Amino acid sequence: DGGITQSPKYLFRKEGQNVTLSCEQNLNHDAMYWYRQDPGQGLRLIYYSQIVNDFQKGDIAEGYSVSREKKESFPLTVTSAQKNPTAFYLCASSPGGTSNQPQHFGDGTRLSIL
Amino acid sequence: GQQLNQSPQSMFIQEGEDVSMNCTSSSIFNTWLWYKQDPGEGPVLLIALYKAGELTSNGRLTAQFGITRKDSFLNISASIPSDVGIYFCEYNTGNQFYFGTGTSLTVIP
Repeated sequence: DGGITQSPKYLFRKEGQNVTLSCEQNLNHDAMYWYRQDPGQGLRLIYYSQIVNDFQKGDIAEGYSVSREKKESFPLTVTSAQKNPTAFYLCASSPGGTSNQPQHFGDGTRLSIL
Repeated sequence: GQQLNQSPQSMFIQEGEDVSMNCTSSSIFNTWLWYKQDPGEGPVLLIALYKAGELTSNGRLTAQFGITRKDSFLNISASIPSDVGIYFCEYNTGNQFYFGTGTSLTVIP
């Protein structure tokens, strides 16, 4: 079945450590997105990519980095500069373009600080 | 992305009751999307609305695109325990993203 796979499901980070969250899709979608979700809040956009080798900052990009070397993959690195990284991270994809297309979401990665 | 206004923030209802929630914006939108997020999982699309005044059903769910194009409503009839989760609305243009703050639904058996 086509879909989006996020891994790991749970991740723990030590102080000063960078961690990378994986996101892979086999839907042949051009656009991919990373969101952060905190309790009682809506989704906040971290980064998005509409095409391979290109990506744009979202509303809360500070302390995060991404790459888009392949269409299927959009990994997110939470750097040590992100002082409050504990959250639920969601990856999504859509066909892309400027039309309003629903997004397909992964099942998330929950990141916690040790 | 900006935040849409979504209400209520949370609901506690008895099994069998009907539920209604809504999203409003200060801008005119061309599309409204409604998602449900089960605990610990990613959101799943429930209903997509593409025309002002449109009323669309998906089983016990009904959503409407407001005539003013600034609001949308989601109704759930005869709620069951598996309806529990967070419901939220979304609009995007491909490079602008707007999400509601979510409505957390608890169904008491």
